Amino acid sequence: SQQGEEDPQALSIQEGENATMNCSYKTSINNLQWYRQNSGRGLVHLILIRSNEREKHSGRLRVTLDTSKKSSSLLITASRAADTASYFCAPGSARQLTFGSGTQLTVLP
Amino acid sequence: GAGVSQSPSNKVTEKGKDVELRCDPISGHTALYWYRQSLGQGLEFLIYFQGNSAPDKSGLPSDRFSAERTGGSVSTLTIQRTQQEDSAVYLCASSLEWRLGTEAFFGQGTRLTVV
Repeated sequence: SQQGEEDPQALSIQEGENATMNCSYKTSINNLQWYRQNSGRGLVHLILIRSNEREKHSGRLRVTLDTSKKSSSLLITASRAADTASYFCAPGSARQLTFGSGTQLTVLP
Repeated sequence: GAGVSQSPSNKVTEKGKDVELRCDPISGHTALYWYRQSLGQGLEFLIYFQGNSAPDKSGLPSDRFSAERTGGSVSTLTIQRTQQEDSAVYLCASSLEWRLGTEAFFGQGTRLTVV
């Protein structure tokens, strides 16, 4: 299994602004998932992007995947205070799911 | 059920006691995973099940940890003779199957505190 490395470790923005966080990984993957975790528990699956996809949208979320650079980004548009959470990327299948320390996003009202 | 269900949501136990954590996966999901997250740390993989068998037990931290799954559904994670370093949030996830490309869905976790 491999671990995704999220960057930045912490991000603080004003409500209404966009938030971008990045993920890098080391070996080839078939897909990459993004999760959100509130208050240290309750991981919520946000989106899965497959290796043959470059971009995927879900509501206010936009995920990109660049397999040549082994990186992914998660963009949250028009952020809300409720988006405050830790965000994790997980490269690989569910069986190989391993998370890094995540990006702690704080959205200030 | 609608989602992955874990119980209890919180457990405080005395050092040396045994604890059992339960996970009820999404109906029809054949793969089930256990992770734990210590304070300020990333997720640590413990074990996964495909059906009732556990092909990968490499993440179990010690022989005090064991897990089983019966009927291809509910799983229990047992920690014997708990230690303070076992304090963490234990998360369970399930997916339709274990192969590549499947999405995993997580429960709310069990917060274990060993005092």
